[in-house]
Amino acid sequence: EPEVTQTPSHQVTQMGQEVILRCVPISNHLYFYWYRQILGQKVEFLVSFYNNEISEKSEIFDDQFSVERPDGSNFTLKIRSTKLEDSAMYFCASSRDRDYNEQFFGPGTRLTVL
Amino acid sequence: DAKTTQPPSMDCAEGRAANLPCNHSTISGNEYVYWYRQIHSQGPQYIIHGLKNNETNEMASLIITEDRKSSTLILPHATLRDTAVYYCIVRVPIYNTDKLIFGTGTRLQVFP
Repeated sequence: EPEVTQTPSHQVTQMGQEVILRCVPISNHLYFYWYRQILGQKVEFLVSFYNNEISEKSEIFDDQFSVERPDGSNFTLKIRSTKLEDSAMYFCASSRDRDYNEQFFGPGTRLTVL
Repeated sequence: DAKTTQPPSMDCAEGRAANLPCNHSTISGNEYVYWYRQIHSQGPQYIIHGLKNNETNEMASLIITEDRKSSTLILPHATLRDTAVYYCIVRVPIYNTDKLIFGTGTRLQVFP
């Protein structure tokens, strides 16, 4: 069964450093998403991406965040200058279309900012 | 998107049916009810969705009341692996937004 994959599974970084979280969505999917979950809190939407551009973003997704689909398979989330409060699980998701189909989530990347 | 209310936790004996309720009294006519679950700290997993008719798939059944103000997710024969947080989400799939808004969900504990 096709699945969304994410790398790395755990990333430790120093405050102020740049990190790139990587995702490989399901191959025939066209819509891509990033969510995050701070430990013990709700899953929060960050951004959705379609046709090589952001279609929607939350207020969390400020200028420190960016997304990119650098090739036909990868989907990345970059945090330019990490803060302690960026420590969270980051989940990538993809869906075949935006209308009625489900979003498939990856296993997540645990980001720890020291 | 309409707000949902779920009990914070429930228990269920292994092999029995788990019935998870969700209240969405402000749901509008074009909003769908979606159910996802999150096992430990894994990525959320889609379970089922529906508009007004009852739905069934290999994982679960979804019963939506006639007035659509509430729904129940049924896991017919719960196993220990069904222990998870279950999220009820209502959304309009189109209208320029496709994000999922997660609440705090119901933590289902299946015991032997």
